[in-house]
Amino acid sequence: DGGITQSPKYLFRKEGQNVTLSCEQNLNHDAMYWYRQDPGQGLRLIYYSQIVNDFQKGDIAEGYSVSREKKESFPLTVTSAQKNPTAFYLCASRRQGSTGELFFGEGSRLTVL
Amino acid sequence: KNEVEQSPQNLTAQEGEFITINCSYSVGISALHWLQQHPGGGIVSLFMLSSGKKKHGRLIATINIQEKHSSLHITASHPRDSAVYICAVRSNTGNQFYFGTGTSLTVIP
Repeated sequence: DGGITQSPKYLFRKEGQNVTLSCEQNLNHDAMYWYRQDPGQGLRLIYYSQIVNDFQKGDIAEGYSVSREKKESFPLTVTSAQKNPTAFYLCASRRQGSTGELFFGEGSRLTVL
Repeated sequence: KNEVEQSPQNLTAQEGEFITINCSYSVGISALHWLQQHPGGGIVSLFMLSSGKKKHGRLIATINIQEKHSSLHITASHPRDSAVYICAVRSNTGNQFYFGTGTSLTVIP
């Protein structure tokens, strides 16, 4: 079945460590997104990519980095520069165009110890 | 200021009740999405609409573009409908999406 796979589902990190969250899709979607979800807030955009080898910063990109070397993959690195990284991270993708629905992964919960 | 506002924030209903969740937005949009998030965290898309009304099973979504308002209705609610329902809009100026903070629904047997 087509879909988006995020891993790991749960991740614990010590302060000062970088971690990378994986996002893979087999939907042949061009656009991919990373969102952060905190209690009581709507999803906030970290980065998005509309095409391979190109990506744009979202509203809260500081302390994060991404790459888009393959259409299927859009990994997110949470760097030690991110001051408050404990959150739930969601990856999404959609087909380009006005009729493209958003598809989400199951999310990754990162906890900094 | 949030571009998307949802109400109510929390909702508890008895099984069988008719439920309405409201969404208002302040930006120009190309489409509005209703999403469902279960306790495990994964999100599924329920509806994408840009005008009128859509129905899927016991779920109905409507949108009024002039009033910048949408509603999600659940008829004959069931405990398995318990989830967080999120309204999201896609801006008509690009690929940006704006999300509401969600409505947490609990349906009691």
